[in-house]
Amino acid sequence: EPEVTQTPSHQVTQMGQEVILRCVPISNHLYFYWYRQILGQKVEFLVSFYNNEISEKSEIFDDQFSVERPDGSNFTLKIRSTKLEDSAMYFCASRGDSNQPQHFGDGTRLSIL
Amino acid sequence: QQQVKQSPQSLIVQKGGISIINCAYENTAFDYFPWYQQFPGKGPALLIAIRPDVSEKKEGRFTISFNKSAKQFSLHIMDSQPGDSATYFCAASPGTSYGKLTFGQGTILTVHP
Repeated sequence: EPEVTQTPSHQVTQMGQEVILRCVPISNHLYFYWYRQILGQKVEFLVSFYNNEISEKSEIFDDQFSVERPDGSNFTLKIRSTKLEDSAMYFCASRGDSNQPQHFGDGTRLSIL
Repeated sequence: QQQVKQSPQSLIVQKGGISIINCAYENTAFDYFPWYQQFPGKGPALLIAIRPDVSEKKEGRFTISFNKSAKQFSLHIMDSQPGDSATYFCAASPGTSYGKLTFGQGTILTVHP
């Protein structure tokens, strides 16, 4: 069964540094998402991406964050000037069309020191 | 108004018993209600989903009951098994969005042998 794959599985970064989290969505999917889950809390929506542009974003997704689909297979989340509170599990998801469910990757655990 | 409230926070059930998890929402624009199962170290995996045009959906041992007037929906796991031990999240999405999911707080289910 096709899967959403995320790399790295764990990223440790010094506060203030920039990180790029990578995702390979399921082939032929059209909608792409990033969510985050702070330890012990619920999964929170960050951003959705469709037709090569951001379609929706949450108030969490401020100027510190950006997303990109640099080629036909990767979908990245960049976090600039990381803060301690950015420490969380970040999940990428994709879906085929508006009638299909979202499929999640296994996440990248981001630890900011 | 965007919140989805989930209860209980944790649930312990004996093998063979019925597990029931409840969710409530306020936003009447929500029209898609999935349940996700999450094992430690893994991303959320779709378990079952329902739209408000039906009051119940069953897939194997898993059933969603939906009460549109009360704005509530629940997950029933029949004949619960130790392998069902996981965290369960309800979620909701409005038809007007690009699929943004709003998640509940999650329920940690433990099924004792």
